[in-house]
Amino acid sequence: GQNIDQPTEMTATEGAIVQINCTYQTSGFNGLFWYQQHAGEAPTFLSYNVLDGLEEKGRFSSFLSRSKGYSYLLLKELQMKDSASYLCAASIDKLIFGTGTRLQVFP
Amino acid sequence: KAGVTQTPRYLIKTRGQQVTLSCSPISGHRSVSWYQQTPGQGLQFLFEYFSETQRNKGNFPGRFSGRQFSNSRSEMNVSTLELGDSALYLCASSLAAGGGEQYFGPGTRLTVT
Repeated sequence: GQNIDQPTEMTATEGAIVQINCTYQTSGFNGLFWYQQHAGEAPTFLSYNVLDGLEEKGRFSSFLSRSKGYSYLLLKELQMKDSASYLCAASIDKLIFGTGTRLQVFP
Repeated sequence: KAGVTQTPRYLIKTRGQQVTLSCSPISGHRSVSWYQQTPGQGLQFLFEYFSETQRNKGNFPGRFSGRQFSNSRSEMNVSTLELGDSALYLCASSLAAGGGEQYFGPGTRLTVT
């Protein structure tokens, strides 16, 4: 079967760095997406990793290890507006989402 | 370019009734996927339509159905509503089918009483 795991909740302090992990077990894996979803809003695209390694995009970076079935999203210089849910999704001819990680950033 | 739109945004229905939700994709996008989002289960894939054909389906009962029109607009229908169908229903559009980058609409919040 298809399985995506990520922590349910995380907390961090403004200005800090936080890493949100995601492990997956799927067949026919194409790549790994990260989406951000603020409460009451639609998910918005953050990153897509196809190859192993780290991809940096401003304060956000995403890492993928296909051999380990593992990805993480790294958020640097946290801001209050980063408080949101972060969803990882495996692309396997459709998107299979994890349950999401709710991140709360405190001042 | 206008984003994905969904109507209605909020809906309250009674158990046993049926409901139809609508989704208009980004212009030029031919793939529309539907998801159910609940606090405990996260986003669960319902189905994907591409060029008016259902090309993929999730593990939902037959009460959940959908269709896509020639202008790529899509509708999903839920018949014989149950309390457990209360959820946020999101649609997402993409240029190509099969798990590429998807752009989500704001969702329809369905409450079944």
